[in-house]
Order: sequence, then structure tokens, then C-alpha cells
Amino acid sequence: DAGVIQSPRHEVTEMGQEVTLRCKPISGHNSLFWYRQTMMRGLELLIYFNNNVPIDDSGMPEDRFSAKMPNASFSTLKIQPSEPRDSAVYFCASSYTSRGTEAFFGQGTRLTVV
Amino acid sequence: KQEVTQIPAALSVPEGENLVLNCSFTDSAIYNLQWFRQDPGKGLTSLLLIQSSQREQTSGRLNASLDKSSGRSTLYIAASQPGDSATYLCALTANNDMRFGAGTRLTVKP
Repeated sequence: DAGVIQSPRHEVTEMGQEVTLRCKPISGHNSLFWYRQTMMRGLELLIYFNNNVPIDDSGMPEDRFSAKMPNASFSTLKIQPSEPRDSAVYFCASSYTSRGTEAFFGQGTRLTVV
Repeated sequence: KQEVTQIPAALSVPEGENLVLNCSFTDSAIYNLQWFRQDPGKGLTSLLLIQSSQREQTSGRLNASLDKSSGRSTLYIAASQPGDSATYLCALTANNDMRFGAGTRLTVKP
């Protein structure tokens, strides 16, 4: 397996624009996590899916952020409208279950909002 | 809510030295603890996974321990090398989430 695949690797956009980040988890994994990493706040859990269902989205900062998982092999994180304070590295991770197995991370999407 | 603390925040050692990184947590009701490595500008690479029922795991020069009663985990790196320079993060998995510490930035000097 190629591991967790995220796209794009880098995204530069203007404030107010819509941004969509994509993630393909490892085949067979049924848990998917979205994280945001900044120097100030470290790694923050945004949302967690289990079997394509959002289980906990309490980490989503505000209504401008939304995430979907239409099937077991694809998830999106959307920011609309984007703001400069959304600039960060966004990571996706997957595991077989959320409880006992190893989680694997994608390479991340570096988002810059100008 | 689980609080995860890693001490020290940064560590610089000469090559060849053995070292210990620390991770403490507030809620012992966890499923597992995982240690990751992150190189600058890169993603996270899993190093070791310790299940809740286990006390330690070893992989090569790395040994991780888990003491749930005291809320502590350590990552022991033997005979450190410059290639070990990176940020090391611990993460605890419990109900519905995986929480991370802020990491320890390790520099191994040749």
C-alpha cells in the first residue's frame, strides 16, 4: 500500500476563497483523523471518522470548516471562506480501528492563506 | 479531557549518548500509546505502539515503556546518531480521539 495519500501537498490561496483538502486512507482502515499543526498549538485533532461516519467533530474550529467521508477510500476537509489564521499544515491519518492499532499519517498539506 | 505533556521541549546531545524522552498524561483510560518521529517539513512516522495492556515495546535502538498508574511513558534511544535528530511526539488513543503532546525536538551532534 502507498500509505495515506494527501493532496495537494501545498496550497496558497487568497483570503475568502474556498479550500478543499483531500485524503485517501490506507486500504482496509476504517478510522480516519484530520489534524491541524501549527507552531503555536501543535497537533490539534479536528475530526474523527469511523466507518465513514463522523464520530467527533468537537475540534473543528468553526462553521467555516467542514469534513466529509463519502466512502471508505476518500475524505475531504473544506474551509469556506478561508482566513489567514487558517494557515497551517493539515494532516490526515488512518488506522484499522481507533482503539488498539497503529495510526499512519499522510505527508500533510501545507496551507497558506494570504 | 486528556492532557499530554512532553519534557523536555528540546534536547541536544553528542553522538553516541543514550537518552530518554518523557511523556506524561492525565487520563489513564487509554487504548494505546504511540511514539512518532517528525522530520522538519515532513509527516509523522510511527516508531512504536504500546497497547494498554503492555508495559514496553522495543524496536532496534528504541525502547518505549508505559506506566498507566503513574501516567507516564518514556522513549529510550540507545547510542544516538545524528540521523536521530527530529521531533518526537507521543500520542494517546482513548475514546474517539488520539491526543498528542507538543513534542521533544532532539538534536544529536556529530
